[in-house]
Amino acid sequence: GQQLNQSPQSMFIQEGEDVSMNCTSSSIFNTWLWYKQDPGEGPVLLIALYKAGELTSNGRLTAQFGITRKDSFLNISASIPSDVGIYFCAGQRTTDSWGKFQFGAGTQVVVTP
Amino acid sequence: NAGVTQTPKFRILKIGQSMTLQCTQDMNHNYMYWYRQDPGMGLKLIYYSVGAGITDKGEVPNGYNVSRSTTEDFPLRLELAAPSQTSVYFCASSLRTGTNSPLHFGNGTRLTVT
Repeated sequence: GQQLNQSPQSMFIQEGEDVSMNCTSSSIFNTWLWYKQDPGEGPVLLIALYKAGELTSNGRLTAQFGITRKDSFLNISASIPSDVGIYFCAGQRTTDSWGKFQFGAGTQVVVTP
Repeated sequence: NAGVTQTPKFRILKIGQSMTLQCTQDMNHNYMYWYRQDPGMGLKLIYYSVGAGITDKGEVPNGYNVSRSTTEDFPLRLELAAPSQTSVYFCASSLRTGTNSPLHFGNGTRLTVT
């Protein structure tokens, strides 16, 4: 099945910096989800987006559903050490008739003091 | 709330052995899924279920079987383990498909086949 193109693959940043990552596809989506996965744990939902252009925040996290409905981005502001982990996107295409999701490969975030 | 619970957390199998990965959810979700996660790859769907008694194949079903006798439980069976099945397995659930119905994941089962 088609997977989403997620970039960057990894990021090494200093504490206090902002982080930005995105997911793109050639298909049109009706749902975008952003998850964080800590080592040895399951993915935890951060933000869910359901409308084109929608901009949603969750604390220092902000995500947007692209206007073209083919992309989404996630920003983390003023990073802290506990932001370390793998962030990945998931999307549901308009052509999928049931709860079938496409997934990005993830962005590994490393925060140094 | 417990959410989605998977057992065991870790398992090592020898080639040819069989095992069942357990998954249960207490959110009364209709949809349940099994994914595998390999390094550098997005999650791949193995099997899914839209309700008790209904299951269907995902992208990578070969070597696996599932059953859904109740709304809560969705076990994944490996009959003849192969090294290619070394992976991290995640069970997930969602209330339904569509708006306001994101996936909720368990903590995973890390399986090594040697």
